Amino acid sequence: AQSVAQPEDQVNVAEGNPLTVKCTYSVSGNPYLFWYVQYPNRGLQFLLKYITGDNLVKGSYGFEAEFNKSQTSFHLKKPSALVSDSALYFCAVRIGDTDKLIFGTGTRLQVFP
Amino acid sequence: DAGVIQSPRHEVTEMGQEVTLRCKPISGHNSLFWYRQTMMRGLELLIYFNNNVPIDDSGMPEDRFSAKMPNASFSTLKIQPSEPRDSAVYFCASSSAGGPVDTQYFGPGTRLTVL
Repeated sequence: AQSVAQPEDQVNVAEGNPLTVKCTYSVSGNPYLFWYVQYPNRGLQFLLKYITGDNLVKGSYGFEAEFNKSQTSFHLKKPSALVSDSALYFCAVRIGDTDKLIFGTGTRLQVFP
Repeated sequence: DAGVIQSPRHEVTEMGQEVTLRCKPISGHNSLFWYRQTMMRGLELLIYFNNNVPIDDSGMPEDRFSAKMPNASFSTLKIQPSEPRDSAVYFCASSSAGGPVDTQYFGPGTRLTVL
């Protein structure tokens, strides 16, 4: 069965420090992976996706994600966190050859001044 | 370009009433998705359409829920009769079939409260 896991409900980081939000996946076939961010009372906003190619994917707002096939992980990273990055982050994986996505349970990122 | 548009943004209704949520996808997108978000169950896909045709409705909770897409620029999600447990945020998303793996773009959501 295809699934995605976000093992941390919340991540706390000081402003200016690097941040990592973790995601692991389980899929049959090629993994197509996404990160979205949700600010309070807003819809999900697309950050980045991995289809194939370079294992380091760069996205919006200075975020990047590292695809690691051997560890079946797709962790979201940013070199220097901002208070405005505080939000709910979702990892998602596409199901097989469909257009359907499975979303993780979300990780709340809190960046402290 | 305008993003995905949803209306209303907030809906408060009483148990037993009919509720209709509306969505206008991004122009040119040919896939449309309806999701529900709750604290308990997270983000769940209810149904999705491709070229106005329902492809997978396995996530629709029960017969009280129905969705239509009469044309490429409009979709509705209807709950009849509504129940308190339907209270959630309902999102619509759309994507285009322009590449091998399409990105879904989400609307702002409709917050539904059933009393």
